[in-house]
Amino acid sequence: QKEVEQNSGPLSVPEGAIASLNCTYSDRGSQSFFWYRQYSGKSPELIMFIYSNGDKEDGRFTAQLNKASQYVSLLIRDSQPSDSATYLCAVRGGGATNKLIFGTGTLLAVQP
Amino acid sequence: DAGVTQSPTHLIKTRGQHVTLRCSPISGHKSVSWYQQVLGQGPQFIFQYYEKEERGRGNFPDRFSARQFPNYSSELNVNALLLGDSALYLCASSPGLAGEEASTDTQYFGPGTRLTVL
Repeated sequence: QKEVEQNSGPLSVPEGAIASLNCTYSDRGSQSFFWYRQYSGKSPELIMFIYSNGDKEDGRFTAQLNKASQYVSLLIRDSQPSDSATYLCAVRGGGATNKLIFGTGTLLAVQP
Repeated sequence: DAGVTQSPTHLIKTRGQHVTLRCSPISGHKSVSWYQQVLGQGPQFIFQYYEKEERGRGNFPDRFSARQFPNYSSELNVNALLLGDSALYLCASSPGLAGEEASTDTQYFGPGTRLTVL
């Protein structure tokens, strides 16, 4: 079992729709969770992080965390073609090292 | 404020050579992490440094080494390059929070160095 799992996609949604991206993780001791957006040929760009159960909203983005189910998701409202990218879920490993463990990413395609 | 900077942006080497990649963190950040990203995969953790000390090491061979300088900039060195080392090498900087604040220690990535080994 991979430590962080994401559906590779592509996830195709029409412009203006809600895109829902999902991620599961295996380490129950994980404490913080990050979503990065990566355009083709570019480096990952932080969208938001969450470390408490429940929802966290930032503009059109909402992160949801359920530690009991070891599940974290990212909702993108009013999806735009410019949101088309790979979305990486990252989990902070435990211990003194604040290393991030990444999933393989989900490719999102927003259709105009 | 300037973000994370990395140099060079692109690099082409041949098998057996060595390479040095450089990173300058965001001003005020004391921790630098290095990641390797091969095509179609998420970034893989290589090293983390905080205040010039190695804080963690990923599952990479001893051909990979790194260090952090007093100004918090960092170098990643790779010796005896293999074709499989071809990847995007990412540097991430963070404040280096620990203890109760560790959950909010957020890493910001630089533009990366694209290494091609022929």
